[in-house]
Amino acid sequence: GAVVSQHPSWVICKSGTSVKIECRSLDFQATTMFWYRQFPKQSLMLMATSNEGSKATYEQGVEKDKFLINHASLTLSTLTVTSAHPEDSSFYICSATSGGAGETQYFGPGTRLLVL
Amino acid sequence: AQSVTQLDSQVPVFEEAPVELRCNYSSSVSVYLFWYVQYPNQGLQLLLKYLSGSTLVKGINGFEAEFNKSQTSFHLRKPSVHISDTAEYFCAVSRNAGGTSYGKLTFGQGTILTVHP
Repeated sequence: GAVVSQHPSWVICKSGTSVKIECRSLDFQATTMFWYRQFPKQSLMLMATSNEGSKATYEQGVEKDKFLINHASLTLSTLTVTSAHPEDSSFYICSATSGGAGETQYFGPGTRLLVL
Repeated sequence: AQSVTQLDSQVPVFEEAPVELRCNYSSSVSVYLFWYVQYPNQGLQLLLKYLSGSTLVKGINGFEAEFNKSQTSFHLRKPSVHISDTAEYFCAVSRNAGGTSYGKLTFGQGTILTVHP
């Protein structure tokens, strides 16, 4: 099946620094990638939808200047958490799909971020 | 907008027993329905999905789900569980019409299935 990787798998950073998370589709071209955030014992909350070559669409309440998303190619999307604060600590998960609504989204293994 | 409710946060069951994980959804438009499984420290993996056609959908690992439009439900079932089925299960929906939310998934809160020997 299709494989999506994320890097790094976990990261610890100091408050005020920026962290970049990569999401790659390894064996297919992803026209759309999604970024989710998962708090402990809670469900996944969609943060933004990223289409290759265009600006990301952010969900209500998600700060676009805080969470910068770049989808430069059909196999790579990046999420940069700028000026991270402890409340940004979370599990960030990306997914990728090559089609529309009925197409399967393939999920990455997630990135655990801890901001001290 | 769509919403998904998974009625049980935790389901303990003994090995080889049957299990049902319940999922109800709310939507003003037609939806596609999905079940995903998340093993510890891993990403989500698709179990099965309903797009159209037969309301009984069979997925991987012996799981199946039945779409009930009148009850807006999509319950997941397995006739005999294994220890290896211990994981968290998420029900999700997406719109099957165009528009800005096309392709976006709305997840339920998750159900932790624990299979005991």
